Amino acid sequence: AQTVTQSQPEMSVQEAETVTLSCTYDTSESDYYLFWYKQPPSRQMILVIRQEAYKQQNATENRFSVNFQKAAKSFSLKISDSQLGDAAMYFCAYQLTAGNMLTFGGGTRLMVKP
Amino acid sequence: NAGVTQTPKFQVLKTGQSMTLQCAQDMNHEYMSWYRQDPGMGLRLIHYSVGAGITDQGEVPNGYNVSRSTTEDFPLRLLSAAPSQTSVYFCASSYRTRQANEKLFFGSGTQLSVL
Repeated sequence: AQTVTQSQPEMSVQEAETVTLSCTYDTSESDYYLFWYKQPPSRQMILVIRQEAYKQQNATENRFSVNFQKAAKSFSLKISDSQLGDAAMYFCAYQLTAGNMLTFGGGTRLMVKP
Repeated sequence: NAGVTQTPKFQVLKTGQSMTLQCAQDMNHEYMSWYRQDPGMGLRLIHYSVGAGITDQGEVPNGYNVSRSTTEDFPLRLLSAAPSQTSVYFCASSYRTRQANEKLFFGSGTQLSVL
């Protein structure tokens, strides 16, 4: 079975600074997707960024980028120019390409200091 | 589009009571699923369905039943609620085939407390 581990229960960052959230996963598959989801206090699950395992290029979405290390099974999220609205729970998730089920990590609570 | 609609948003039950959490989507998605979210444990898959009439168990199915009589609806039933089922429940749906822009759509969640 696949597992996803987020080793940082909480992180804090100063507004306008950069922060990196860590995620590692365990799988024997070669074809899969990885995701970062944001969950603000409203509870809504918001897709931040997605990476396809067969692509070597790291995904980028505006201020959000990932560092995908397939051999090391590592998938970190970098948030640049942090904003107060970035404060939320962040979940790393894994999905087999052939299926739809997501396996989530335990989450990292990000606090942004003004 | 309404997307994925979950009802109710909040519910308090007594131990042993039964109830059904409703989930409906209007995007003609084949795949629907239920997750529970407990503090520090992320979201865990309870049950899922890949089409009308087809359901299967996820990681934590005990104490829950599902059915999928239509493409749009995927209710989650608690037959005899237990305090261990206190959690936030999310319904999610997507197309079954893999497309470049495909993603999982989540409902807004149901906060369930079992006393």
